[in-house]
Amino acid sequence: GAGVSQSPSNKVTEKGKDVELRCDPISGHTALYWYRQRLGQGLEFLIYFQGNSAPDKSGLPSDRFSAERTGESVSTLTIQRTQQEDSAVYLCASSVTGRQPQHFGDGTRLSIL
Amino acid sequence: GENVEQHPSTLSVQEGDSAVIKCTYSDSASNYFPWYKQELGKRPQLIIDIRSNVGEKKDQRIAVTLNKTAKHFSLHITETQPEDSAVYFCAAANGAGGNKLTFGTGTQLKVEL
Repeated sequence: GAGVSQSPSNKVTEKGKDVELRCDPISGHTALYWYRQRLGQGLEFLIYFQGNSAPDKSGLPSDRFSAERTGESVSTLTIQRTQQEDSAVYLCASSVTGRQPQHFGDGTRLSIL
Repeated sequence: GENVEQHPSTLSVQEGDSAVIKCTYSDSASNYFPWYKQELGKRPQLIIDIRSNVGEKKDQRIAVTLNKTAKHFSLHITETQPEDSAVYFCAAANGAGGNKLTFGTGTQLKVEL
């Protein structure tokens, strides 16, 4: 079946603009995660959604970052007033439940000019 | 919070040789340890994982060992092939709040002909 789908694949924007990134998890997966990967580095956890529970936002780096998920479907990650240090690949992953292996999407490569 | 250290950062082996990548973690409550392979510009792909109730797991040419007492785990790849060349990431999670993963900084493995 279809894997985790992210859009756009690439996004270039000017400093100070807002951006919205989208993630379509694998159908039936109740858990959804966002990670950030800076060039040449490992992945950093941002936020975790599990079903209808309150999300774990402990990894969000600042209040400019927010994310939403409706039920067990699509999630959007929003970055307001983008800064150059926000440039990175933003990866989404989903799993059947919160205790099962995570499967990643291809990511959105975000470049802030 | 959890901290995962990974060594070496780069590893070059001859085709057919074995490769070993080591990780240590800090949180004794961590109980889930996946390994991901990431080719350039691609999504991370889960290659093997281990939970804290076992000490070793094998899948064909890949094995992972876990030492809970010392809080370290290792990835072993035998009979390496050029297609094994990629960046490998270890990660750890305690599962208490879902499997939000803390990643190591990655190992660039190059398998030379």
